[in-house]
Amino acid sequence: GAVVSQHPSRVICKSGTSVKIECRSLDFQATTMFWYRQFPKKSLMLMATSNEGSKATYEQGVEKDKFLINHASLTLSTLTVTSAHPEDSSFYICSAGGGEQYFGPGTRLTVT
Amino acid sequence: LAKTTQPISMDSYEGQEVNITCSHNNIATNDYITWYQQFPSQGPRFIIQGYKTKVTNEVASLFIPADRKSSTLSLPRVSLSDTAVYYCLVGDVEAGGTSYGKLTFGQGTILTVHP
Repeated sequence: GAVVSQHPSRVICKSGTSVKIECRSLDFQATTMFWYRQFPKKSLMLMATSNEGSKATYEQGVEKDKFLINHASLTLSTLTVTSAHPEDSSFYICSAGGGEQYFGPGTRLTVT
Repeated sequence: LAKTTQPISMDSYEGQEVNITCSHNNIATNDYITWYQQFPSQGPRFIIQGYKTKVTNEVASLFIPADRKSSTLSLPRVSLSDTAVYYCLVGDVEAGGTSYGKLTFGQGTILTVHP
């Protein structure tokens, strides 16, 4: 099946700094990618839809100025967590594809 | 997007067949039913998708009654490695749909397979 990768797999950063997470579709082009966040023992929550060449669409309650999304090519979307705080610590997962979504392996963010 | 309801957890033993039922009373005409599996600290993995009646692939079967208000994921002869969270989702999977690719995850079912 199609492969979606994420980098890094885990990152630790200090409060107030910014962190960039990359999501790549390795063997197909994706005009749309999705970003999810998952807290421990909870389900995935959709954060935003990343659109190639245009602005991302954010779900209600997600701060667009805090979670910057860039989708500059058909195989890469990035999520930047700006001015990170401990409450931003979570598991971030991206997906791409069509009716069958392919998920990346996730990125564990820990903000200290 | 239609809301789904699943059992919070299930227990089984190796070699048994496991059936996980999902309720989706408000499913729309264009909605398909899709099941994903997630292991700890990994992204979800597609298992199976269907619209009506029965769908079978190499890992599972999906049973959907005529009214489509529920569905049952059947895992034959589970093993310890099938211990995971299973999510049932409903949504429009047709290209061009407003929610195409956009998934709303419910709580999922934690399946624990015992030796």
